[in-house]
Amino acid sequence: NAGVTQTPKFRVLKTGQSMTLLCAQDMNHEYMYWYRQDPGMGLRLIHYSVGEGTTAKGEVPDGYNVSRLKKQNFLLGLESAAPSQTSVYFCASSSPGSSSYEQYFGPGTRLTVT
Amino acid sequence: GQQLNQSPQSMFIQEGEDVSMNCTSSSIFNTWLWYKQDPGEGPVLLIALYKAGELTSNGRLTAQFGITRKDSFLNISASIPSDVGIYFCAGRVPNYGQNFVFGPGTRLSVLP
Repeated sequence: NAGVTQTPKFRVLKTGQSMTLLCAQDMNHEYMYWYRQDPGMGLRLIHYSVGEGTTAKGEVPDGYNVSRLKKQNFLLGLESAAPSQTSVYFCASSSPGSSSYEQYFGPGTRLTVT
Repeated sequence: GQQLNQSPQSMFIQEGEDVSMNCTSSSIFNTWLWYKQDPGEGPVLLIALYKAGELTSNGRLTAQFGITRKDSFLNISASIPSDVGIYFCAGRVPNYGQNFVFGPGTRLSVLP
């Protein structure tokens, strides 16, 4: 049981390049999330998904797109990277059970845009 | 939008001391979660709280859901070196589904 995994772990992009971050979970969770973490700040929600084929915007969605084609995977895309997108990106998942609002996080992807 | 404040921002303590930190907001929350993040890792869930006034323990950690539903507290007893890290609180906003708002974190350093 690997939990939540993220690939890649590190990436350096040049301004204007594109890339996709992959998140996978093996806990059969319905809900998945993408956050970014910047120094001195809490996690900020980029996009989330409440089920396969559905996505929604979070607090800071601009410059990002997402897709949830399979229940276990949630992809985060940057179409044209900007230096302001330099951050650590975390994926999380949760199950909409009666008491289980807890979110379980992946190890993160550190992205630098030069 | 919703905002959470955590205090202190950072703290240095001696090994063996007890630690207290809190999370406050001007908004009401239905659920509070406390996470710990080690350097280079993702946050790991420590304690979840679901009812106002609830007091829950996990080993040396104890957390409470404030009566006003606008705050939460985390205590660590008899700190050890592996307690070092950043502690985040997260609150679930009513009528906001399963989405949480995260605080900026409290950075804990434990001196031997």
